[in-house]
Amino acid sequence: SQTIHQWPATLVQPVGSPLSLECTVEGTSNPNLYWYRQAAGRGLQLLFYSIGIDQISSEVPQNLSASRPQDRQFILSSKKLLLSDSGFYLCASHVSGANVLTFGAGSRLTVL
Amino acid sequence: AQRVTQPEKLLSVFKGAPVELKCNYSYSGSPELFWYVQYSRQRLQLLLRHISRESIKGFTADLNKGETSFHLKKPFAQEEDSAMYYCALSSYYGQNFVFGPGTRLSVLP
Repeated sequence: SQTIHQWPATLVQPVGSPLSLECTVEGTSNPNLYWYRQAAGRGLQLLFYSIGIDQISSEVPQNLSASRPQDRQFILSSKKLLLSDSGFYLCASHVSGANVLTFGAGSRLTVL
Repeated sequence: AQRVTQPEKLLSVFKGAPVELKCNYSYSGSPELFWYVQYSRQRLQLLLRHISRESIKGFTADLNKGETSFHLKKPFAQEEDSAMYYCALSSYYGQNFVFGPGTRLSVLP
């Protein structure tokens, strides 16, 4: 079975600083990978998904970007953080044929 | 447009009472419906999916295409059921999963 690792688990950054959240997947190959933001009362907002290396789709225009340099690595980035970027970010993996999302433990970002 | 609604942000019931978490959806086509659960300090995980038609931890959910609903039910709630519950849908090939806002279930002793 697949395992998703996310780091860092928590991060406090000043406004205007860069961001890099990393997600790696073990136990599978060629997964679809997703970045969600979880906000209280608003559910999970899909930010980006990727069906393969360097293939990224953005669902919501925003201050963030995503990259997939390797098959099982998915990175969420920002050049300059905004206060509104604070939140809980979840990485998820989907294996074709199973149609089930497996989630990482999440990264909590606080922008001050 | 694809959308999932969960009308209750918080649902409190007493232990042993029946519980129903409501979920309605809008989707053009035939979606697959899921319930995901997040217990305190644990990862978000799949609870059940409509195509499995099985009971997990005493929970069941029936897809009602006429009412576009997928309500989650359990006849006798337990304290360990307290968690955040998300209803979700995807296309058959699962490229895009859409989640509802979630319902926090609190089971009181």
